[in-house]
Amino acid sequence: EVQLVESGGGLVQPGGSLRLSCAASGFTFSSYEMNWVRQAPGKGLEWVSYISSSGSTIYYADSVKGRFTISRDNAKNSLYLQMNSLRAEDTAVYYCTRDDSSSWYSWFDPWGQGTLVTVSS
Amino acid sequence: EIVMTQSPATLSVSPGERATLSCRASLSVSSYLAWYQQKPGQAPRLLIYGASTRATGIPARFSGSGSGTEFTLTISSLQSEDFAVYYCQQYNSWPPLTFGGGTKVEIK
Repeated sequence: EVQLVESGGGLVQPGGSLRLSCAASGFTFSSYEMNWVRQAPGKGLEWVSYISSSGSTIYYADSVKGRFTISRDNAKNSLYLQMNSLRAEDTAVYYCTRDDSSSWYSWFDPWGQGTLVTVSS
Repeated sequence: EIVMTQSPATLSVSPGERATLSCRASLSVSSYLAWYQQKPGQAPRLLIYGASTRATGIPARFSGSGSGTEFTLTISSLQSEDFAVYYCQQYNSWPPLTFGGGTKVEIK
């Protein structure tokens, strides 16, 4: 069974840092591009970041550029999101999700269950 | 950035009736459009990709259509488990990948 399991969320003060992890299983992790998508409480979905299968290509949403860093460890079947200089508006459930196609044009499937990040003093 | 606009924001439908959800892109996205379903407290689930291809395990009552800038998700006969929020997403021109604001399908 293909599975993505996020961890690392929690309560952090504004300006603080947090590192999210996503453990992948049931597929050849090193062959797939991965993404982080977030959802603020009661709001819609917002794409955060993308990383290619090798880790050589990375993109960020403007809202997190310069503060967040996506990375992966293919030997550990894991995806990460290092979040620095956190703001109240970063409060959200963060989902790890896989590109389901090997082409540039790809949708997201599957999704992890999400991990909640709360930025508050 | 391509802006995705979904309408209506809320759709009230009786069980067994048809539901029609719309998604509009600010620029053409060809057929590079996906639909997701999200129930309260759950992660989104892929329903449709390529504008009209059902994902594995998705019932035939879900269908997608459209290309360019206008897209539709149709649920032919609503079941109790279909009441949820639905999002469209374009993956033609990115970064950034963009989602619509969602349509909540509620029981009438």
